[in-house]
Amino acid sequence: AQRVTQPEKLLSVFKGAPVELKCNYSYSGSPELFWYVQYSRQRLQLLLRHISRESIKGFTADLNKGETSFHLKKPFAQEEDSAMYYCALSPYNFNKFYFGSGTKLNVKP
Amino acid sequence: ETGVTQTPRHLVMGMTNKKSLKCEQHLGHNAMYWYKQSAKKPLELMFVYNFKEQTENNSVPSRFSPECPNSSHLFLHLHTLQPEDSALYLCASSQDQYTGELFFGEGSRLTVL
Repeated sequence: AQRVTQPEKLLSVFKGAPVELKCNYSYSGSPELFWYVQYSRQRLQLLLRHISRESIKGFTADLNKGETSFHLKKPFAQEEDSAMYYCALSPYNFNKFYFGSGTKLNVKP
Repeated sequence: ETGVTQTPRHLVMGMTNKKSLKCEQHLGHNAMYWYKQSAKKPLELMFVYNFKEQTENNSVPSRFSPECPNSSHLFLHLHTLQPEDSALYLCASSQDQYTGELFFGEGSRLTVL
């Protein structure tokens, strides 16, 4: 069965420090992976997707099929990055999405 | 108004009540979704509609009844709910079922007494 695991419920870092939010998945096929973000008092929104291979707001994520991971990274965290981050998986045809339980990132000044 | 709009934002109901949640999207999308977000649990997919046809029912109890009269509107009819059904219900839409980006509403916070 498909599953998305985000082992950290809360991650606190200081401004300017590197940040890595972990995501591991289990899926028998070739999934597509996404990161969604929810800033305070805003709705959940797409941050980036694996197939685009792009950097959004300084964040990148690399799909490691051997380790079945899709960790989200940023070299220098900013206070405005504080938010809830959700890793999501979808089968290649996108007919459904499975979300992790989320990691709250707190960037301290 | 643009985006995905959900009403009501908050709902309190007894176990014997019948109520409905409404979702409307002004994005021209053809797929709409209901998700349930409970405390300390991952977002749970409930239903998927693609071009008004239900394409996914993720083993949701029959006390939740979805309705999709057109591609812009999605309802979730609620009846004889249980206290454990209290949660944030999120509606989302996407261009179609195969596009890969979900646009979410702000959610309807449901409390079942």
